[in-house]
Amino acid sequence: QVQLQESGPGLVKPSQTLSLTCTVSGGSISSGSYYWSWIRQPAGKGLEWIGRIYTSGSTNYNPSLKSRVTISVDTSKNQFSLKLSSVTAADTAVYYCARENYDSSGYYPASDYWGQGTLVTVSS
Amino acid sequence: DIQLTQSPSFLSASVGDRVTITCRASQGISSYLAWYQQKPGKAPKLLIYAASTLQSGVPSRFSGSGSGTEFTLTISSLQPEDFATYYCQQLNSYPFTFGPGTKVDIK
Repeated sequence: QVQLQESGPGLVKPSQTLSLTCTVSGGSISSGSYYWSWIRQPAGKGLEWIGRIYTSGSTNYNPSLKSRVTISVDTSKNQFSLKLSSVTAADTAVYYCARENYDSSGYYPASDYWGQGTLVTVSS
Repeated sequence: DIQLTQSPSFLSASVGDRVTITCRASQGISSYLAWYQQKPGKAPKLLIYAASTLQSGVPSRFSGSGSGTEFTLTISSLQPEDFATYYCQQLNSYPFTFGPGTKVDIK
């Protein structure tokens, strides 16, 4: 059973960089044709897709955040990471990591495993 | 970006009711649509992918249909554990956007 766990500081000061890591257990991050993604959710609001990475290092980012986001992968540690620079209070949210899996046809993805989420608050 | 709208935003229903939630996309997305269920304080759970394929382990009372710009999630007989917020997500083009959610509450 694949499990994902987010870790990182729960409090980040404005203008600094938010850094989170997602540790994958129960399977190799490199096995299969999976993408690994980050999604966030401000309190009481909806979900926002931040971006994703393939184990080759290929990335796709949300254009609204692209100038500030970096997603990377460390296959040796079975982890992938999120860095979001120049944060403001608007970046306060629960951050989820998730696995994007494709169906048997290879065409249709969806996030089938999620971490429990970690709250990051941006405040001085 | 492809915008998704969901209707209704809020739904009050009773155990045993048939419930239908609609998701509309601002442009055609073929069948690149997924549905998730989220309970308070929990991560979303995948219910349906490819618009109509039931995720393994999800009860058969959940079903999805549609293609192009209009999609529906149906719960055939609402159970107590189904009271939650439901989100659709398009995975046709970047960014992979979510709908605003439909909260299903107890009547």
